[in-house]
Amino acid sequence: GAGVSQTPSNKVTEKGKYVELRCDPISGHTALYWYRQSLGQGPEFLIYFQGTGAADDSGLPNDRFFAVRPEGSVSTLKIQRTERGDSAVYLCASSLGGGTAGTDTQYFGPGTRLTVL
Amino acid sequence: AQSVSQHNHHVILSEAASLELGCNYSYGGTVNLFWYVQYPGQHLQLLLKYFSGDPLVKGIKGFEAEFIKSKFSFNLRKPSVQWSDTAEYFCAVTPSGYSTLTFGKGTMLLVSP
Repeated sequence: GAGVSQTPSNKVTEKGKYVELRCDPISGHTALYWYRQSLGQGPEFLIYFQGTGAADDSGLPNDRFFAVRPEGSVSTLKIQRTERGDSAVYLCASSLGGGTAGTDTQYFGPGTRLTVL
Repeated sequence: AQSVSQHNHHVILSEAASLELGCNYSYGGTVNLFWYVQYPGQHLQLLLKYFSGDPLVKGIKGFEAEFIKSKFSFNLRKPSVQWSDTAEYFCAVTPSGYSTLTFGKGTMLLVSP
């Protein structure tokens, strides 16, 4: 079956521009996660959706970052006024239920490599 | 907040050698523990996970990990590595009752044929 997909696979933008990154989770997965992976680091949590609502956005670094999931499926991560330090691979993951058990396996997409010049 | 420490950033082994990758976490409560692997050009994928019960967990491709609560450790092992095990390995933790993962920095394993 289809896994988690992310588009675009690569995005090059200029400092100060606005970007949108898209994630299509596995069908039927209610939980969706965004992580960011900088060079030489492990993935770092950004935001977690359960259905349409953001259950935990404590990982968003500042108010330039925002994410939505209006219909409980596709999610878009939006970054305003991009900075060079935003350059990283943005990973999306989905899991069956999320919830509070923390036991569901998270399935990761291929990531979007964002480069801010 | 919890954190994860992976002691080795790069490991080089010959085929058939035994593997042990260290992982320590800091969190005072009950945790769920994971090892993920990223093969060259592929997505992160789950190797194994521990929630409760037998502290020795077996995963895919002959990998296993042992949870030692007193040492806050969850080391990954494989008795005999293959060239195809060349990949980056990430340890991750989440407090029980939560689902967002905290990852270590990863260990790059290179297995020479």
